[in-house]
This record gives sequence, structure tokens and C-alpha cells, in this order.
Amino acid sequence: EPEVTQTPSHQVTQMGQEVILRCVPISNHLYFYWYRQILGQKVEFLVSFYNNEISEKSEIFDDQFSVERPDGSNFTLKIRSTKLEDSAMYFCASSAGQGTITDTQYFGPGTRLTVL
Amino acid sequence: AQKITQTQPGMFVQEKEAVTLDCTYDTSDPSYGLFWYKQPSSGEMIFLIYQGSYDQQNATEGRYSLNFQKARKSANLVISASQLGDSAMYFCAMRELNTGNQFYFGTGTSLTVIP
Repeated sequence: EPEVTQTPSHQVTQMGQEVILRCVPISNHLYFYWYRQILGQKVEFLVSFYNNEISEKSEIFDDQFSVERPDGSNFTLKIRSTKLEDSAMYFCASSAGQGTITDTQYFGPGTRLTVL
Repeated sequence: AQKITQTQPGMFVQEKEAVTLDCTYDTSDPSYGLFWYKQPSSGEMIFLIYQGSYDQQNATEGRYSLNFQKARKSANLVISASQLGDSAMYFCAMRELNTGNQFYFGTGTSLTVIP
């Protein structure tokens, strides 16, 4: 069964450093997403991406964040200058993008980002 | 106001028994979808079941069923014949057709299955 994959599974970085989190969505899906989950809290939407551009973003997704689909398979989240409060689990998701309420999002296993 | 409310931070159930995890939602959009995900201790989010706002029947998927009460705006997950492997966090989520593709998640319920 096709699945969303994410690398690395765990990333440790120093405050102020740039990190890139990588995702390979399900191959025939059209919409891609990033969510984050701070330890012990609920999952929060960051951004959705369709047709090579951002379709929606939350207020969390400020100028330090960016997303890119550099090739036909990868989808990346870049955090330019990490802060302590960026420490969280980051989930990538993808959906077939039928534009209906049945459009299930399938999540990857997550990348745990720890900012020291 | 919270879009999704899960009022049970933790639940316990005896193995082989059934358990209901509560979820209420808040929306003015007539078209929406409700989703349940399981998050084991390993951290991944596993899709379990979906219910659409126009669906007449309650969704079922193996041992999972959704008790959808539209007038009460509730979408409770029922797990029948609980197994030890069901111990995990369970999240309810909603997508509204007219407000884009993002999912709104609840705070989750931690389920522990007791042997």
C-alpha cells in the first residue's frame, strides 16, 4: 500500500540554524500539507500546497517557513532560523485532491525536530 | 471557539470490550467531513475512518464505527472488541468544504487497553 515517507525521523539542531524536512507524498496525490504537533498538544495545520504553489497557510507559517517541491517526488519544509519553540513533531500529509469533503489526508510518520 | 472538542483526555478499557471515544464539532458549513486518526507511541498518524456530513448511514470500518449524531454535532468513535494494540492516542479531525483543505484536530484521547 502506498504511503507517505519522511526523512529524517529525528533532527537535532542549534537555535538559529536552518533545517530542511523532507517528505515523499503518495505518488498520484495532488495536494500536500505540513502540520506540526508540539509535545502533548494537538496537531496544528501549517500549510497546504497545490500545483506548485501555496494554497493555504496558517498564522503559524510565518516568514521563517517555506515549502518547495524541488522535483516530481519530494516536498520539503524549510525553517530558516530555528527557535526553541519550533521543537515539535512535523507531519507531512498528502491527499488525492478531489476537492470534496471525502478527501482523506494520509500522514507520514513524522520528523521530530529538537532545537537546542 | 474550538472546531473539534475531545473531552476525554484518557480512557481505559478491558481487552475484548467495546469503548466509545467522544468527539463534538462546531461548524456552520453544511458540507464537512469528519475523520479519526490513531497515533501509537511510535508517533505516526494512521487514518481510521471517515464520515461525511451528508452520509445517511454511520460509517464502519472493521472494528471501528462512527456514531454520527448530526443534530448534536457529535461523531464518536466506537472500537469494538478492543485489543492491546489499540492502546494509542486517538484524534478526531474535521475538514470544511468551504474553508479550504486544512484539517482541524482535537486534543486527542489516550486509550489504554487493559489485559
